[in-house]
Amino acid sequence: LAKTTQPISMDSYEGQEVNITCSHNNIATNDYITWYQQFPSQGPRFIIQGYKTKVTNEVASLFIPADRKSSTLSLPRVSLSDTAVYYCLVGDQGGGYNKLIFGAGTRLAVHP
Amino acid sequence: NAGVTQTPKFRVLKTGQSMTLLCAQDMNHEYMYWYRQDPGMGLRLIHYSVGEGTTAKGEVPDGYNVSRLKKQNFLLGLESAAPSQTSVYFCASSRDGFNQPQHFGDGTRLSIL
Repeated sequence: LAKTTQPISMDSYEGQEVNITCSHNNIATNDYITWYQQFPSQGPRFIIQGYKTKVTNEVASLFIPADRKSSTLSLPRVSLSDTAVYYCLVGDQGGGYNKLIFGAGTRLAVHP
Repeated sequence: NAGVTQTPKFRVLKTGQSMTLLCAQDMNHEYMYWYRQDPGMGLRLIHYSVGEGTTAKGEVPDGYNVSRLKKQNFLLGLESAAPSQTSVYFCASSRDGFNQPQHFGDGTRLSIL
């Protein structure tokens, strides 16, 4: 099974930039990297997806080095509302369900 | 657009009872999924469907059945509920592939006494 490793928890303060790194040493050639955010009592919400280099959208950036064995989700200037659990997934179109692995995720706590 | 809607939001069952959880999506997505999430853990895939009329087992399928008679609906059934099935159940859909972004419902909290 595809496996990712993330820190269990992180703490930050309002206005800071937060970087959450995910390790995926056995990523396959066709795998994409996808990040989700989950608030209490809600389903996960898609944040960003990428294959290589850098992807940026209105809420986050995703940095992927050339070897693709890790990726970093960057949240600029976090606020209290960014307190949530963040999940990293690695998978491809034809890879089957066994790559849909939501691990324990990273619990981000943003403090005033 | 409602996105993904799950019903009911809460339910309490007695051991041995049966029930069906309904998931409906209005995005014309081909793929649909059922997950369970236990306290402090990530989501585990129960069953999934890659299109109308198809279903397949995920990581933890035992004790559950599913049906996808219509493209927009994906039903999860518990034939004989057990306390170990106490969990929060999430339904999700994606356009046409496992690597496509998934859209999730807000979950069903199920307690089995």
